[in-house]
Amino acid sequence: EAQVTQNPRYLITVTGKKLTVTCSQNMNHEYMSWYRQDPGLGLRQIYYSMNVEVTDKGDVPEGYKVSRKEKRNFPLILESPSPNQTSLYFCASGPGQGRETQYFGPGTRLLVL
Amino acid sequence: AQSVTQPDIHITVSEGASLELRCNYSYGATPYLFWYVQSPGQGLQLLLKYFSGDTLVQGIKGFEAEFKRSQSSFNLRKPSVHWSDAAEYFCAVGATGGSYIPTFGRGTSLIVHP
Repeated sequence: EAQVTQNPRYLITVTGKKLTVTCSQNMNHEYMSWYRQDPGLGLRQIYYSMNVEVTDKGDVPEGYKVSRKEKRNFPLILESPSPNQTSLYFCASGPGQGRETQYFGPGTRLLVL
Repeated sequence: AQSVTQPDIHITVSEGASLELRCNYSYGATPYLFWYVQSPGQGLQLLLKYFSGDTLVQGIKGFEAEFKRSQSSFNLRKPSVHWSDAAEYFCAVGATGGSYIPTFGRGTSLIVHP
């Protein structure tokens, strides 16, 4: 089954404790991205990747890091989480360098205390 | 820069009634246009998309959308809403020009009364 998976689905942490949210896709897409969803603000892109070892900032990259060492994986790293990073996070992948349909993971709900 | 506007934050309809969700975009040319649905606790799922050709596109779950170039709109419609359609709906524009970042509207929450 074609899908995007994310782990964990729910995460509670404390300010400053580094965390990683994993993302994997099995559709051989070159384009992958991370979004955060906040009430009233819709989806905002954090980072995207055009291919292995090619990543770039989205609209709200501050406080986040990503890496793309393999085509199928695109982890999101919060080196020092803060409460304002409490949000719902989605990983997505797709063909066409962001122009075409995006396939979303189920989401990771993060609470930073 | 491109932008997407969904003017309605919430829409309430009765089950069986018709539905129209509004979406306006801002971009010089015709971008790729999408509607996604997000059911509670789930990720976004594609409902339908418009790239070119026939301006009335059919999607899953009985939804359709009409592209109107003159109005820069891509409104989503359904003739008869079911209780299971209650969800958040997002209009989106694919990355265009020199950008690689898709743009999403802020979403419209659909509430369905029995």
